[in-house]
Amino acid sequence: KQEVTQIPAALSVPEGENLVLNCSFTDSAIYNLQWFRQDPGKGLTSLLLIQSSQREQTSGRLNASLDKSSGRSTLYIAASQPGDSATYLCAAIPSGTYKYIFGTGTRLKVLA
Amino acid sequence: DAGVIQSPRHEVTEMGQEVTLRCKPISGHDYLFWYRQTMMRGLELLIYFNNNVPIDDSGMPEDRFSAKMPNASFSTLKIQPSEPRDSAVYFCASSLVRGEAFFGQGTRLTVV
Repeated sequence: KQEVTQIPAALSVPEGENLVLNCSFTDSAIYNLQWFRQDPGKGLTSLLLIQSSQREQTSGRLNASLDKSSGRSTLYIAASQPGDSATYLCAAIPSGTYKYIFGTGTRLKVLA
Repeated sequence: DAGVIQSPRHEVTEMGQEVTLRCKPISGHDYLFWYRQTMMRGLELLIYFNNNVPIDDSGMPEDRFSAKMPNASFSTLKIQPSEPRDSAVYFCASSLVRGEAFFGQGTRLTVV
């Protein structure tokens, strides 16, 4: 059974720092891995989707990497801003199914 | 496209009453998902559909929960009878096969 873990659960950094959020999954047989952002009281906003054949994806200041063999994905945020404060969630889709399995998220606070 | 649309945004009901949550997926998407989010359990997949057909409902907690997708542009999640422990935020999401998942803004359900 696929399990997804995100560490740390919470992170507080000063504005301008580069930071890395981690996502681990127990079964390397996945179709895709997707990163989301959730603001308080809001829905999930898709940030990046990495397909199983890809190693990384980039969008603006965000870069997500995928290493299936080690069961890890990282989300790199460059030059963090207070507006980046939110909860970041990763979700893995196990092969043979289409169920997005979510991690518990990392709550990020960027201090001005 | 306006994205995934859910209604109502908020619902407060008394224990024992029937609750119906509604979802309109993004046009052309062939997968639809219902998730529940709580502080204790995070995001849990309840059920998902492919081309209007339920594929996996193993996450539906009890027989009190039921979901339908009568056509490609509409789905409902019904709880009958509702209980206080059903209080949560319910999300609907849609995607193309192996594609990026897009979430609605959610329905915050409170059962008193």
